[in-house]
Amino acid sequence: GDSVTQMEGPVTLSEEAFLTINCTYTATGYPSLFWYVQYPGEGLQLLLKATKADDKGSNKGFEATYRKETTSFHLEKGSVQVSDSAVYFCAPVTDSWGKLQFGAGTQVVVTP
Amino acid sequence: DGGITQSPKYLFRKEGQNVTLSCEQNLNHDAMYWYRQDPGQGLRLIYYSQIVNDFQKGDIAEGYSVSREKKESFPLTVTSAQKNPTAFYLCASSPDPADRDNEQFFGPGTRLTVL
Repeated sequence: GDSVTQMEGPVTLSEEAFLTINCTYTATGYPSLFWYVQYPGEGLQLLLKATKADDKGSNKGFEATYRKETTSFHLEKGSVQVSDSAVYFCAPVTDSWGKLQFGAGTQVVVTP
Repeated sequence: DGGITQSPKYLFRKEGQNVTLSCEQNLNHDAMYWYRQDPGQGLRLIYYSQIVNDFQKGDIAEGYSVSREKKESFPLTVTSAQKNPTAFYLCASSPDPADRDNEQFFGPGTRLTVL
C-alpha cells in the first residue's frame, strides 16, 4: 500500500545551520506532495506543496523539489531560526478525492 | 476571520462514557476530515465527508461516529467502544475534494484524556 518514510527525529540544530529532512513515498501515479508544519500545541499548517514532477515548492525560506525518479520530496532550509522549532510532516495525496498520507513527522529543535 | 474552530481545547472523560468533539468552519469548504494524532506518529484518518449528509470511514473508524447535517459542522463522537481514546484530535477542511492539489486547513485540535 501507499506509505511515507521520513527521517526520524528529533533533529537538533544550532541557529543558522542548514536543515534537511528526507521524505520518500510510495504511491500510485504521480501524487501532489505537501509539507505541513505543526508548532507546539497547535494544529497543522501548510508549509509548501508541489503538484507535478520537478516542481519546487517554497515558503518562509524552506524549499522542496518533487523528484519523480526517486519518489522523494526532501525539505531544506539554508539557515534555520529558533522559531523554526516544530514538527514537520511530509504528506503525499494518495487518493482521487485528496486523501493525505502522513509521515510520522520529524521534530526539529533549533537552539540559539 | 475565516477558519476552523475546535472545542474544547482539553477534554477529560471517564472510561465508558461517550464524548463529542466539536468542529466548525466558516470557510465554505465542502470537505471536512477528522484525524487522530498519537505521540511519535503521523496523523491517521478517522472519518471524512465530501458533502453535506454524506461521510465515509477512514483508516481507523472503529469506535467513532460522525454526522454532517450542516456544511460548516462536522462533530466527532468518541464512543465507549474505542479502546484507546486518549489522543490529540484534529479537524480539517478543504475547498473541493475533487481537486487533489487543494490543501487541507486544520483546526487547533482537541486533546482528549480518558481517566
